[in-house]
Amino acid sequence: AQKVTQAQTEISVVEKEDVTLDCVYETRDTTYYLFWYKQPPSGELVFLIRRNSFDEQNEISGRYSWNFQKSTSSFNFTITASQVVDSAVYFCALSDVVSGGYQKVTFGTGTKLQVIP
Amino acid sequence: NAGVTQTPKFQVLKTGQSMTLQCAQDMNHEYMSWYRQDPGMGLRLIHYSVGAGITDQGEVPNGYNVSRSTTEDFPLRLLSAAPSQTSVYFCASSPRQPNEKLFFGSGTQLSVL
Repeated sequence: AQKVTQAQTEISVVEKEDVTLDCVYETRDTTYYLFWYKQPPSGELVFLIRRNSFDEQNEISGRYSWNFQKSTSSFNFTITASQVVDSAVYFCALSDVVSGGYQKVTFGTGTKLQVIP
Repeated sequence: NAGVTQTPKFQVLKTGQSMTLQCAQDMNHEYMSWYRQDPGMGLRLIHYSVGAGITDQGEVPNGYNVSRSTTEDFPLRLLSAAPSQTSVYFCASSPRQPNEKLFFGSGTQLSVL
């Protein structure tokens, strides 16, 4: 069965510190997709990144970077030089095929990040 | 572009009442889904649809009903509301099966008394 584990429930950091959010997933598929979404205090869900299971290259986008390692089934997210605006709940998600041939998206329980000024 | 539109934004029900949460998208997306968000539980999939006339259950389908008669609309029906259904509900869509990112509505905050 599909499963996404975000073991860190809440993290607090002081502004300008680096922080890494962990994500571990389980799937039987060889083809799957991983995502990160951000939910700021306003409540909307904002897409951050998508990776497919064949692309293990790390990705950097400004202060954000992602480390995908199939060997450990992990897709970790690092924020460099954190800012107060980064305070949000961050969700990791997995899209893979369930029985019957349809894909569905499974979310982790989220990590609440608080950046203290 | 409107994107994914959910109505209402807030709703209070009494136990046993029924209601429909509306979701519409104007992007011609085939894939649509409903999630509920509860503290400490993340987003849990209720039902999803891969196209008009095709729906399937997610991980928490009990007490909810869906249908997909058009590409644009995917309403979620609560047949007999229970306090356990108090939650924030999100509708989401994606162009095809969700290899691409999900586009989310703004959410519906539902309280069942």
